[in-house]
Amino acid sequence: ETGVTQTPRHLVMGMTNKKSLKCEQHLGHNAMYWYKQSAKKPLELMFVYNFKEQTENNSVPSRFSPECPNSSHLFLHLHTLQPEDSALYLCASSQGATSGSYEQYFGPGTRLTVT
Amino acid sequence: GQNIDQPTEMTATEGAIVQINCTYQTSGFNGLFWYQQHAGEAPTFLSYNVLDGLEEKGRFSSFLSRSKGYSYLLLKELQMKDSASYLCAVYDSNYQLIWGAGTKLIIKP
Repeated sequence: ETGVTQTPRHLVMGMTNKKSLKCEQHLGHNAMYWYKQSAKKPLELMFVYNFKEQTENNSVPSRFSPECPNSSHLFLHLHTLQPEDSALYLCASSQGATSGSYEQYFGPGTRLTVT
Repeated sequence: GQNIDQPTEMTATEGAIVQINCTYQTSGFNGLFWYQQHAGEAPTFLSYNVLDGLEEKGRFSSFLSRSKGYSYLLLKELQMKDSASYLCAVYDSNYQLIWGAGTKLIIKP
């Protein structure tokens, strides 16, 4: 148990569906992250929030839409996804994001399959 | 571009020692992390190096040479539960964390 929870753990959705992934951290951290993890590829950073402000958007398609209502919660809203978006989506948190080499704590991930 | 290289897969025997290498080319350097990720689970923090030299933590040690852009993770007295992927990650000058693709370590009895 890392102090970061994600729901759902598994999600199967069609290309026309809309769904949301949820992440919650109980560590008192100020920064939260969404990553995409595909087999045999490096973790791909998607979004970074620092003190609820988005500080990074790594050219992610608009069919992925993040939301950070407070420093403990992070959502990833999904709509009209493509089969190549099937992957493990990991949420992480850390003390800060734009300065300081802080370790990141990861949630267990959501295994997403787009059919 | 920024790049981190690690071997894709390694195999070792229970009770033995294994060294997993990581080389990096990044714009600046603000520290290097090693994470362990068991199949289907979250990555968990193992070690952090920012200065040259060896950091020892129980059965695991991590080494850094900034001049060579090189690190290794040394695992001693291997146990079956050490079968996992090991991820190397580097903070660049903008405190962006650059990740390697991970090394899958298979432990055989």
